[in-house]
Amino acid sequence: NAGVTQTPKFQVLKTGQSMTLQCAQDMNHNSMYWYRQDPGMGLRLIYYSASEGTTDKGEVPNGYNVSRLNKREFSLRLESAAPSQTSVYFCASRKDRANYGYTFGSGTRLTVV
Amino acid sequence: KQEVTQIPAALSVPEGENLVLNCSFTDSAIYNLQWFRQDPGKGLTSLLLIQSSQREQTSGRLNASLDKSSGRSTLYIAASQPGDSATYLCAVKQGNTDKLIFGTGTRLQVFP
Repeated sequence: NAGVTQTPKFQVLKTGQSMTLQCAQDMNHNSMYWYRQDPGMGLRLIYYSASEGTTDKGEVPNGYNVSRLNKREFSLRLESAAPSQTSVYFCASRKDRANYGYTFGSGTRLTVV
Repeated sequence: KQEVTQIPAALSVPEGENLVLNCSFTDSAIYNLQWFRQDPGKGLTSLLLIQSSQREQTSGRLNASLDKSSGRSTLYIAASQPGDSATYLCAVKQGNTDKLIFGTGTRLQVFP
């Protein structure tokens, strides 16, 4: 099925460990996004990429890095995980057309202990 | 700074009721507004997308309206069913940015 695929679905890290969250879309969308969802705070934008080769900071970028590897893939890296990064992470993509909305992946539930 | 608010935060209704979920935003310079559904432990499923020039969109038992000048959108669910139980999120896309600003959602429970 066409859509946004995220891996892994669940992950437990120790404080200070690093990891990369993977995201791929097969809809030929230009724009891709990483959000985190925390209880009572809604979804907040971490980073986004308007096109291949470009990335920009969102609302809460500290502690994260991203790579837009190609048009399909947009990865999120935690270099040194902290308990404050315990959250559910969602990747999304959007066709760069006026009347198109956003398509979300199923999320990665990350716990940092 | 755009702020999106959803009221009520939680709603519990018996099956068959028609119900309205509310979404308000502080900056009317939006490009579009999107309603999503999120089931527990799952991702977001897009329900309806309303462009800033539109007044409403319909899909099956769902109808979303937009009043940009007053900063409000409503999601109307007709003849609610237990399968409608989920969290409903609204999000606005600002006219001059490539970002979605989300509300915190309304948790809906429809009981038989």
